[in-house]
Amino acid sequence: AQSVTQPDIHITVSEGASLELRCNYSYGATPYLFWYVQSPGQGLQLLLKYFSGDTLVQGIKGFEAEFKRSQSSFNLRKPSVHWSDAAEYFCAVGPTGFQKLVFGTGTRLLVSP
Amino acid sequence: DGGITQSPKYLFRKEGQNVTLSCEQNLNHDAMYWYRQDPGQGLRLIYYSQIVNDFQKGDIAEGYSVSREKKESFPLTVTSAQKNPTAFYLCASSIEGMNTEAFFGQGTRLTVV
Repeated sequence: AQSVTQPDIHITVSEGASLELRCNYSYGATPYLFWYVQSPGQGLQLLLKYFSGDTLVQGIKGFEAEFKRSQSSFNLRKPSVHWSDAAEYFCAVGPTGFQKLVFGTGTRLLVSP
Repeated sequence: DGGITQSPKYLFRKEGQNVTLSCEQNLNHDAMYWYRQDPGQGLRLIYYSQIVNDFQKGDIAEGYSVSREKKESFPLTVTSAQKNPTAFYLCASSIEGMNTEAFFGQGTRLTVV
């Protein structure tokens, strides 16, 4: 069965510092991979997605993620974090065709001044 | 503006009562989904629908029911059989399948007392 692991429950980063959020997945074939962001009490917004092709994916708000098949990872990065980036981040994996997404448990990002 | 509207944002009910959460979309999406979110558990799929008058159980369907009589609407009923209904509920939709971008509503926080 497919699964997603986000090993960090909380991460605190200083404003202006770089960020990397980890995501590891388990899936038998090449999955579709997503990163979503959620502000408190709100719905989820898609940051970026990987379906195929270039393994470095650019998203909104200056985020990027790199798909590494050998490590079964899809880590999210940002070179310089802004206070407004404080939120919860979810990695998700889905197979080809129509089937449900599986979400990780999320990583809460705190940004210190 | 196109989007997904969930109502109400906050809902309080007494234990033993059924309650229906509304989800409406004007994106002309075929697929719609209901997720439940609990702290530390990420998002878990309750039900999903690929087309009008058809829907499938997700991972945690027990104690919930849905209908899909119109393309735009996918209401979720939390029944008295749901043992722990207090949670944040998210509705989402996509063009077809989850390998395209899913758009989320703002969520409904249900509290059962």
